[in-house]
Amino acid sequence: NAGVTQTPKFQVLKTGQSMTLQCAQDMNHNSMYWYRQDPGMGLRLIYYSASEGTTDKGEVPNGYNVSRLNKREFSLRLESAAPSQTSVYFCASSEPPLSYYNEQFFGPGTRLTVL
Amino acid sequence: TQLLEQSPQFLSIQEGENLTVYCNSSSVFSSLQWYRQEPGEGPVLLVTVVTGGEVKKLKRLTFQFGDARKDSSLHITAAQPGDTGLYLCAGATTGNQFYFGTGTSLTVIP
Repeated sequence: NAGVTQTPKFQVLKTGQSMTLQCAQDMNHNSMYWYRQDPGMGLRLIYYSASEGTTDKGEVPNGYNVSRLNKREFSLRLESAAPSQTSVYFCASSEPPLSYYNEQFFGPGTRLTVL
Repeated sequence: TQLLEQSPQFLSIQEGENLTVYCNSSSVFSSLQWYRQEPGEGPVLLVTVVTGGEVKKLKRLTFQFGDARKDSSLHITAAQPGDTGLYLCAGATTGNQFYFGTGTSLTVIP
């Protein structure tokens, strides 16, 4: 099993450009999440999907949109990239839906730079 | 809003030394997790603690959840170079979201 995979691994954008970060998991998990990680800030939740067909905002959703395409895939879209969105983005999945006994499995991350 | 503060932010020690990392908050959490992250990779879960006062041991690592479920600590005995990494705590709220701490970057020098 590959676990959680993310594409691309690296991306450089110019301000105003758009892009979609892809995430897929092969563990048959119901819940999926997008986080961003910035130095000294830990990980902050952008959006999550408790199950196929549902999405909810996390701590820092502004400037992002998500799509839960099916049970396996959860994408994150930046419609008009800004330098403040330069970060490392992590996708994670878990089963059952997020609860305090739950373990989140993380992908390797996408390193995004917005110039 | 940063709910969880970790200290120290950076720690560099010699192999064989002991260390403690702290995770503090003014908020109450239903549970708390500790993760370790290596460069270029995503975090990996080490432990989950759910009961106030709970202590869990994982080989040379000891995790404690505060009695009031607002804080936690990670103690490493006889640190080894393989312990090097970024340690993150994450607290779960009744709203079913996890809030991650600011992280502690540990370097163990051989």
